[in-house]
Amino acid sequence: GENVEQHPSTLSVQEGDSAVIKCTYSDSASNYFPWYKQELGKRPQLIIDIRSNVGEKKDQRIAVTLNKTAKHFSLHITETQPEDSAVYFCAASGYNTNAGKSTFGDGTTLTVKP
Amino acid sequence: NAGVTQTPKFRVLKTGQSMTLLCAQDMNHEYMYWYRQDPGMGLRLIHYSVGEGTTAKGEVPDGYNVSRLKKQNFLLGLESAAPSQTSVYFCASSSLTGRETQYFGPGTRLLVL
Repeated sequence: GENVEQHPSTLSVQEGDSAVIKCTYSDSASNYFPWYKQELGKRPQLIIDIRSNVGEKKDQRIAVTLNKTAKHFSLHITETQPEDSAVYFCAASGYNTNAGKSTFGDGTTLTVKP
Repeated sequence: NAGVTQTPKFRVLKTGQSMTLLCAQDMNHEYMYWYRQDPGMGLRLIHYSVGEGTTAKGEVPDGYNVSRLKKQNFLLGLESAAPSQTSVYFCASSSLTGRETQYFGPGTRLLVL
């Protein structure tokens, strides 16, 4: 089955700096890669996703890049703010296959210091 | 439109007791999932369902059973709770067309003593 590794497990940055979280996956059939943000005590919520026919996607201060050859994808947050502090999860799944099941990384705890 | 809801929010059980967690969604989603979340271990899939009356095992199904008698509800049962089942349980659902994007419920915190 699919295996997703996520690094780093914790990340601390100063407000205004950029943050990068990286994930690798094992199954070449995976072609959908969402990122979820989970604030303390809350549910995970989708913040951005990318499909395998796209190399990069941006949404304001958040961007995701995908390298299918190397089987890795990354989340980039620019101009970080204290409200970006949360746990971020990457995931990988097979588009139109496998009942939409996603395999999640173990999460990255991001702390943005004011 | 409440989205995905879960009951109860919190529960304490003694070892050997049984309980059922209820997940309900009002988005007419075909797919529903149960995950457990433990510190430092992300989200692990317990069971999932691709439609009413169907269920399948996920990554960590042992000690749990599920039922999907109605499209909008997905029940997770613990027949004989063990301390190792102390966790936060999340239900999620997704649609047939955009099924990769999952919508999560607020979670149920379970403590087994």
